[in-house]
Amino acid sequence: DAGVTQSPTHLIKTRGQQVTLRCSPKSGHDTVSWYQQALGQGPQFIFQYYEEEERQRGNFPDRFSGHQFPNYSSELNVNALLLGDSALYLCASSLGTGFSYNEQFFGPGTRLTVL
Amino acid sequence: TQLLEQSPQFLSIQEGENLTVYCNSSSVFSSLQWYRQEPGEGPVLLVTVVTGGEVKKLKRLTFQFGDARKDSSLHITAAQTGDTGLYLCAGALRTTSGTYKYIFGTGTRLKVLA
Repeated sequence: DAGVTQSPTHLIKTRGQQVTLRCSPKSGHDTVSWYQQALGQGPQFIFQYYEEEERQRGNFPDRFSGHQFPNYSSELNVNALLLGDSALYLCASSLGTGFSYNEQFFGPGTRLTVL
Repeated sequence: TQLLEQSPQFLSIQEGENLTVYCNSSSVFSSLQWYRQEPGEGPVLLVTVVTGGEVKKLKRLTFQFGDARKDSSLHITAAQTGDTGLYLCAGALRTTSGTYKYIFGTGTRLKVLA
């Protein structure tokens, strides 16, 4: 049973460029959430996708956008990169609705460095 | 706005000692999860607690959910060097669309010395 996978593992970009990160959820999961984790801090929620729609969004600018595909995989796009966007980007998957509680599983993350 | 506060932020102890990490909030959560994260890797789920007052044990780790489902604690007995890592709590909040949104704590960085 494959867990959550993310690609690429590492990425180096320059300021102003655009980046796309990819995530495949755990088998059987239909909800994908994206997080940004700065060094030494806890993950910060970016947004969540369920049924190919953005359902929840954290306090991140519109430069951060995403997409979910019919097979539940997801992409995170960041435009006009800033130095402060350098972080570990984590994808987590879970089952969407209909449960009294939920469990979320994380991928290994993509380390983005903006120069 | 950070809804979950963890304490302590840093902890350095000798192998064999006991420790407790706390996770506190003013919000009521549907469930609460504890994760451990190694440098450069994603968080690994340790446990999920659901019911107020629930206690779960995972070998030398004991997790408790507060009666009001606003707080939680993680107790490690006889810590080992392999317990070293960043411990994160995350509370689940039900959203209007029926999915769950997770709020992470500030993290506790544990170092166990041989």
